[in-house]
Amino acid sequence: GESVGLHLPTLSVQEGDNSIINCAYSNSASDYFIWYKQESGKGPQFIIDIRSNMDKRQGQRVTVLLNKTVKHLSLQIAATQPGDSAVYFCAENRPGGGADGLTFGKGTHLIIQP
Amino acid sequence: DTGVSQNPRHKITKRGQNVTFRCDPISEHNRLYWYRQTLGQGPEFLTYFQNEAQLEKSRLLSDRFSAERPKGSFSTLEIQRTEQGDSAMYLCASSLDGWGVSENIQYFGAGTRLSVL
Repeated sequence: GESVGLHLPTLSVQEGDNSIINCAYSNSASDYFIWYKQESGKGPQFIIDIRSNMDKRQGQRVTVLLNKTVKHLSLQIAATQPGDSAVYFCAENRPGGGADGLTFGKGTHLIIQP
Repeated sequence: DTGVSQNPRHKITKRGQNVTFRCDPISEHNRLYWYRQTLGQGPEFLTYFQNEAQLEKSRLLSDRFSAERPKGSFSTLEIQRTEQGDSAMYLCASSLDGWGVSENIQYFGAGTRLSVL
């Protein structure tokens, strides 16, 4: 069964607001997590990653938070822009399961309203 | 660096035909992955190569599917006797793995969209 899931299939936010996209995972042995952005007709684009020995990592306008206690991952996008419209996937790398292939969730479609 | 390149971008075929896709990874990357993505779903892992060695296959990779990476550079994915259920986006990704590399970020190509009629 799927171990990486999203809480919301669609998230609509106003341009300029902050967005928070959530993800739950079930395998406590997973040690590496990645967020990808996928625009229509394109392949997934790397946004940010985090290892299980961290609980927060920041990039440019994005922050990933990892809560291992409840097996929850979130992506925060600051000051959302029209170009942020896409489907966002979280993915996990399970040690010893599926080699180094990532396990993806179903994705959250982020819609930016003007 | 031109990124991961996949050809063709689109392929339409009739059921029962064979198709082959090509992936050119980022030049210095030693790992290459194939995924399949259906509409509304996240990518699903199919197989991966470390240089020219195919190290892992998902149970999704039926015996009609075969992947090769003969010289450890580009890879091909062939589907024999295609079925309508094979219609999907086939994504290729590559990464750099080895001593001193702390992250194993997989970079994806734009994919090949297969439609089986």
